[in-house]
Amino acid sequence: RKEVEQDPGPFNVPEGATVAFNCTYSNSASQSFFWYRQDCRKEPKLLMSVYSSGNEDGRFTAQLNRASQYISLLIRDSKLSDSATYLCVAPGDTGFQKLVFGTGTRLLVSP
Amino acid sequence: DTGVSQDPRHKITKRGQNVTFRCDPISEHNRLYWYRQTLGQGPEFLTYFQNEAQLEKSRLLSDRFSAERPKGSFSTLEIQRTEQGDSAMYLCAARLAANTGELFFGEGSRLTVL
Repeated sequence: RKEVEQDPGPFNVPEGATVAFNCTYSNSASQSFFWYRQDCRKEPKLLMSVYSSGNEDGRFTAQLNRASQYISLLIRDSKLSDSATYLCVAPGDTGFQKLVFGTGTRLLVSP
Repeated sequence: DTGVSQDPRHKITKRGQNVTFRCDPISEHNRLYWYRQTLGQGPEFLTYFQNEAQLEKSRLLSDRFSAERPKGSFSTLEIQRTEQGDSAMYLCAARLAANTGELFFGEGSRLTVL
């Protein structure tokens, strides 16, 4: 099983839509998780941290499901500027120091 | 600006040549990571340092790759005898906290092996 797994997409949605991404992780002892956003040919940038209580920031909500070992990212009222690749990050199997990225989920928001 | 700088930003080399990339993180960030990213893939973990100690190295990293962080500040990633499959973006990231801190990335060094 891959340490971190995501659906690569692309997800094509109209402006204003709500879209959700899931990401599964293999290390059941993991404590902290992150969602990063990456624009084309740019470096990844932190979007949100995800802790046991979840996290909400404006139109973005991240949730953690420990029982099923997945985290989710919900984007409400999608904007054209949300078009990007969203990367899920979790500790690897060897411990919390090694942060492993998923392949990323590509989102395309159209007018 | 994340405070993490990488050099060079672009490198074109011929197969068989050696290349070296440098990363300068923020001084307070004692954890430093190297990742490799190819088109359509997420960043792939290569190695990481805590201060000057290299604590983990990916099994995928061949012996042509070596990384150092001699004084716990800047780091170098060297690739010997480059192959076309080494063409990728090499990303350096720094982290402050042990188990909760986010990664701050540099802009990357893009390698093209002809």
